[in-house]
Amino acid sequence: NAGVMQNPRHLVRRRGQEARLRCSPMKGHSHVYWYRQLPEEGLKFMVYLQKENIIDESGMPKERFSAEFPKEGPSILRIQQVVRGDSAAYFCASSPSGVGETQYFGPGTRLLVL
Amino acid sequence: AQSVTQPDIHITVSEGASLELRCNYSYGATPYLFWYVQSPGQGLQLLLKYFSGDTLVQGIKGFEAEFKRSQSSFNLRKPSVHWSDAAEYFCASGTSSNTGKLIFGQGTTLQVKP
Repeated sequence: NAGVMQNPRHLVRRRGQEARLRCSPMKGHSHVYWYRQLPEEGLKFMVYLQKENIIDESGMPKERFSAEFPKEGPSILRIQQVVRGDSAAYFCASSPSGVGETQYFGPGTRLLVL
Repeated sequence: AQSVTQPDIHITVSEGASLELRCNYSYGATPYLFWYVQSPGQGLQLLLKYFSGDTLVQGIKGFEAEFKRSQSSFNLRKPSVHWSDAAEYFCASGTSSNTGKLIFGQGTTLQVKP
């Protein structure tokens, strides 16, 4: 049973470019969470999605960030016009349902903005 | 607002010594509580979780944690630390009143001396 898959594992972008981070949940999981880990900090919640629906985006920056989880394919976290402050590790977690379920984490995508 | 505090940023113990990592949560109702471990450059691995019932929970790799409502704590313990336990440890909480997102502590970095 494959775990949560994230790609790419490392991503380098120049300021102003776009970053696309992908997350494939565990088989049978229809709930996806995205978290961001800044250097020397804990993980901060960004967004919670189910298939084709954004359930909670209270942790998403108001501008430049968006997320989707289409009916087919992986969940995508998109960052437009990246800035140096976006450099971080971005983790995806999945669970079979929402509240009260264990979240299983992927290996993360390390984004470096030059 | 819900919060999780890990008072110790760094802890160093000798191999074979006992370990206790502290975690305090702030929330009126009983939260769901988790401990995750993160090795450098890796994702998060679930060590153990508490949802309800027995307040002493056993996890993988010989770890256990005890939920103490009166102290709002969920401390992680291991009777004898191995060099391979050196990593960063995160306490996290979720509640039934939100969408299932997890609130993480700042993390505790464990160093093991030979």
